Amino acid sequence: DAKTTQPTSMDCAEGRAANLPCNHSTISGNEYVYWYRQIHSQGPQYIIHGLKNNETNEMASLIITEDRKSSTLILPHATLRDTAVYYCIGRPFNQAGTALIFGKGTTLSVSS
Amino acid sequence: DSGVTQTPKHLITATGQRVTLRCSPRSGDLSVYWYQQSLDQGLQFLIQYYNGEERAKGNILERFSAQQFPDLHSELNLSSLELGDSALYFCASSETLQETQYFGPGTRLLVL
Repeated sequence: DAKTTQPTSMDCAEGRAANLPCNHSTISGNEYVYWYRQIHSQGPQYIIHGLKNNETNEMASLIITEDRKSSTLILPHATLRDTAVYYCIGRPFNQAGTALIFGKGTTLSVSS
Repeated sequence: DSGVTQTPKHLITATGQRVTLRCSPRSGDLSVYWYQQSLDQGLQFLIQYYNGEERAKGNILERFSAQQFPDLHSELNLSSLELGDSALYFCASSETLQETQYFGPGTRLLVL
């Protein structure tokens, strides 16, 4: 699986967009980029994933660079409830039974 | 709510004891994953089952075992417990081997 690099922590003001970067320069062509978050000690929550095109859902947008070496998760209007640890994970899609390999993630703190 | 349920929510036991953690996947999901999250190790994959069969193993100790039953629920058995086994244990499920994994709320195990 691709090793990902994320900043340890980030701050964001409530109501502003939170842009969380992830470097995955070793990602291969058969790996999706997945984003999960974990609020306090709750179960990790799936946010979004993509392969090479930008993706958007009701939670967030995912921007993947054309060379696929990095991506940015965008929370358009951060709220206090978005304070969490955000994980960027590379996961092969053509290998059966691949587990998620979690790094340390980025701790996002949203303040009013 | 991911649709994945785990019981019990909390478990306190003594060293040397044996416990069983239970996971019910989302309706229709055939694959179940178990993860352990301790303070010093982060989130680590333990084992995966698909439609009743073991498909992948991660950093699972020999004292730990799991199974998936015909109704697709899964149990993680932890025996000869040690202080270091205190952790959060999460179950995740996915529809197939390649699809997105959704996590349950976890079981917090404390070994005294």
